[in-house]
Amino acid sequence: NAGVTQTPKFRVLKTGQSMTLLCAQDMNHEYMYWYRQDPGMGLRLIHYSVGEGTTAKGEVPDGYNVSRLKKQNFLLGLESAAPSQTSVYFCASSFWNTIYFGEGSWLTVV
Amino acid sequence: RKEVEQDPGPFNVPEGATVAFNCTYSNSASQSFFWYRQDCRKEPKLLMSVYSSGNEDGRFTAQLNRASQYISLLIRDSKLSDSATYLCVVKPNNNDMRFGAGTRLTVKP
Repeated sequence: NAGVTQTPKFRVLKTGQSMTLLCAQDMNHEYMYWYRQDPGMGLRLIHYSVGEGTTAKGEVPDGYNVSRLKKQNFLLGLESAAPSQTSVYFCASSFWNTIYFGEGSWLTVV
Repeated sequence: RKEVEQDPGPFNVPEGATVAFNCTYSNSASQSFFWYRQDCRKEPKLLMSVYSSGNEDGRFTAQLNRASQYISLLIRDSKLSDSATYLCVVKPNNNDMRFGAGTRLTVKP
């Protein structure tokens, strides 16, 4: 039972490089999210989607783009990585009031 | 002011102790409330929802005070396996969940 799967788990980027984090869920959930977690800050919402083909900005969207071309996938893109984007990224999907997280992606920008 | 505020701790307690965590939220229109548990380098997982009437799940009791915009979690008879970070979560609308920064608990033998 896969649930929410994120790839890659670890990545080191140089400043200015681009990359895409992939998220897949097999629970047929409409809602999907991307959060980042930094020490002392808690999880902060980057972008979210309420269904296939829709996306919306969260608390900290700057420097990120997302796409939801298929219901089961939610992609997070960094166009030009900056050291401030060093963080742990969690993808999640939700049904009613329960949110299910992926295992996280550790991203370091040097 | 953060939307969801928690005492970061750490709380260091002996096995068998009772420990309580508090959380305040700023959005009075918030609809739903939860406690999540996060182990080190792992994803958060739902511990329990919080209802206005208060609710209990084994050794865990959650309380909500809407008038004071305050949520609490009580853990009785602490176990070593309870060591984790506890996240207070508030749902201000249908599309979003706001997380506190978490309270770290260490239960020692």
